[in-house]
Amino acid sequence: QQQVRQSPQSLTVWEGETAILNCSYEDSTFNYFPWYQQFPGEGPALLISISSVSDKKEDGRFTIFFNKREKKLSLHITDSQPGDSATYFCAASGQGTGSKLSFGKGAKLTVSP
Amino acid sequence: GALVYQYPRRTICKSGTSMRMECQAVGFQATSVAWYRQSPQKTFELIALSTVNSAIKYEQNFTQEKFPISHPNLSFSSMTVLNAYLEDRGLYLCGAWTGTEVFFGKGTRLTVV
Repeated sequence: QQQVRQSPQSLTVWEGETAILNCSYEDSTFNYFPWYQQFPGEGPALLISISSVSDKKEDGRFTIFFNKREKKLSLHITDSQPGDSATYFCAASGQGTGSKLSFGKGAKLTVSP
Repeated sequence: GALVYQYPRRTICKSGTSMRMECQAVGFQATSVAWYRQSPQKTFELIALSTVNSAIKYEQNFTQEKFPISHPNLSFSSMTVLNAYLEDRGLYLCGAWTGTEVFFGKGTRLTVV
């Protein structure tokens, strides 16, 4: 059973627009939600994360909105740049070391100039 | 900052032979290390989770006999793929917990010929 789901699988936006990537999860014990950015041939790089005690986390152009009741979260990338073109993974786990991190299947973002 | 180095970055081995990959945490203490395999379709499979001073937990379909892992201290872990076959090919990723976040290395890409 897929613990973490992402939508859409792929998204194309114009440079300067806001890209919105969605994620939902099954396990109500999850309380740590990182987003990773992965370029071809590279490992996933931690972009931004949120814990379940917050409903919003912002870091520059990247913002996570979190809805615990609906078990949903989204990553908003404002003023999208061609360099943001990558695959984005939503992940979830319990908090703290030793917790198993479950990944979504990824969303491929293309930002057209 | 927290960095995770993996080496080698890519390796080719003959079918039936074994290869060892290493993971080093720099700038933090990796209290837990998770080894994943990412398929060409980008899906993440958790192989095992290793926490210092605890037994290594292997996921279903992965065994110590096939993927022995060593995690001797808070900065280093290694994993060997024994008797590698075509189905073992992929990008092997090491994810290290800082205690609150998980950082990944760039991965070791295994090709089996």
